[in-house]
Amino acid sequence: GAGVSQTPSNKVTEKGKYVELRCDPISGHTALYWYRQSLGQGPEFLIYFQGTGAADDSGLPNDRFFAVRPEGSVSTLKIQRTERGDSAVYLCASSLNSVDEQYFGPGTRLTVT
Amino acid sequence: GNSVTQMEGPVTLSEEAFLTINCTYTATGYPSLFWYVQYPGEGLQLLLKATKADDKGSNKGFEATYRKETTSFHLEKGSVQVSDSAVYFCALNLDSSYKLIFGSGTRLLVRP
Repeated sequence: GAGVSQTPSNKVTEKGKYVELRCDPISGHTALYWYRQSLGQGPEFLIYFQGTGAADDSGLPNDRFFAVRPEGSVSTLKIQRTERGDSAVYLCASSLNSVDEQYFGPGTRLTVT
Repeated sequence: GNSVTQMEGPVTLSEEAFLTINCTYTATGYPSLFWYVQYPGEGLQLLLKATKADDKGSNKGFEATYRKETTSFHLEKGSVQVSDSAVYFCALNLDSSYKLIFGSGTRLLVRP
């Protein structure tokens, strides 16, 4: 079946602009995660959704970052007033529930110029 | 805090060579340990895992043993192939938590 998909695959934006990154999880997966992977580093946890609600947003770096999952399926990560330090690959993962294997999407590479 | 340390890459090997990628961890509780692989242009994939001390995870010819006494989870393969070229990430989570903590990754390049 289809895996986790993320769009766009690449996004270039200017400093100060607003961006949205989309994640389509595997159908039926109730848990969804966002991670950020900076160059030369491993992924770092940002936020976890169980269903429609953000169960843990402790990894969001500041209040410019926000994520939603209104219908318990597709999720959007939103970044306001982007900064050059936000440049990274943003990874989405989903799992059947919170204790199961996480399946990762290919990521969105965000570049802030 | 909880963290994972991996050997720096890139690791360059000839086909059929023996592979070891070192991974050590620091954890306040009893972690589960994982190896993920990222092939070019693809998402992270779970390669193998071990949930308690002395467990051995294995998959596709790769193995790793959970060593509590040395807080290590080294990845090994007896004979690498060109198709094994990828970035390998060691990771842990605590008490079956959803929150994965990753190492910085090790790039493996296998030459024919």
